[in-house]
Amino acid sequence: AQSVTQLGSHVSVSEGALVLLRCNYSSSVPPYLFWYVQYPNQGLQLLLKYTSAATLVKGINGFEAEFKKSETSFHLTKPSAHMSDAAEYFCAVSEANGGATNKLIFGTGTLLAVQP
Amino acid sequence: EPEVTQTPSHQVTQMGQEVILRCVPISNHLYFYWYRQILGQKVEFLVSFYNNEISEKSEIFDDQFSVERPDGSNFTLKIRSTKLEDSAMYFCASGRGGNEQFFGPGTRLTVL
Repeated sequence: AQSVTQLGSHVSVSEGALVLLRCNYSSSVPPYLFWYVQYPNQGLQLLLKYTSAATLVKGINGFEAEFKKSETSFHLTKPSAHMSDAAEYFCAVSEANGGATNKLIFGTGTLLAVQP
Repeated sequence: EPEVTQTPSHQVTQMGQEVILRCVPISNHLYFYWYRQILGQKVEFLVSFYNNEISEKSEIFDDQFSVERPDGSNFTLKIRSTKLEDSAMYFCASGRGGNEQFFGPGTRLTVL
């Protein structure tokens, strides 16, 4: 069974500092991996995805993530935090088997606070 | 840019009542999903729908739940007899396949 673990339910950084949000996955088949962002009272917006091409994936708003199979990790980073990055971030995994379901399994989320 | 829409944005209902949550997926998408997020918890998969039938459902999706694509554009989630624990944000998503899913803004269901 697939699962996602996000270490740190709350992360606080200063504006301009590095953002690092951790995600580890468990999957018995090659995974597709995603990061979604949820701003207050809004839906889920796709930040970036890994689908077995380049292991370093660049997304929107300056975020990127690196797929490390040996560590079963897909950590999200941004070199310099902006106040507008304050939101909840969800890591998700899906099976790369072309099945009709392709359901997403989400982590518990990390709430990012950015301090001025 | 096309997007998934959901109505209503907020639904308040009495316990035991039926509710229908509506979604309009992106028009050329073939895969449709419902997820829910109980306040303060993670997003959970409920059901996936492809080729006019359910392709997978979670243990949450019991006999009180049903989905329908009545007219080729809408995708609905019906809860037959709501319980207090059904209170959550319900997200609709759609995709072309290839695992990327586009989410709607959600419907907040409050069961009193």
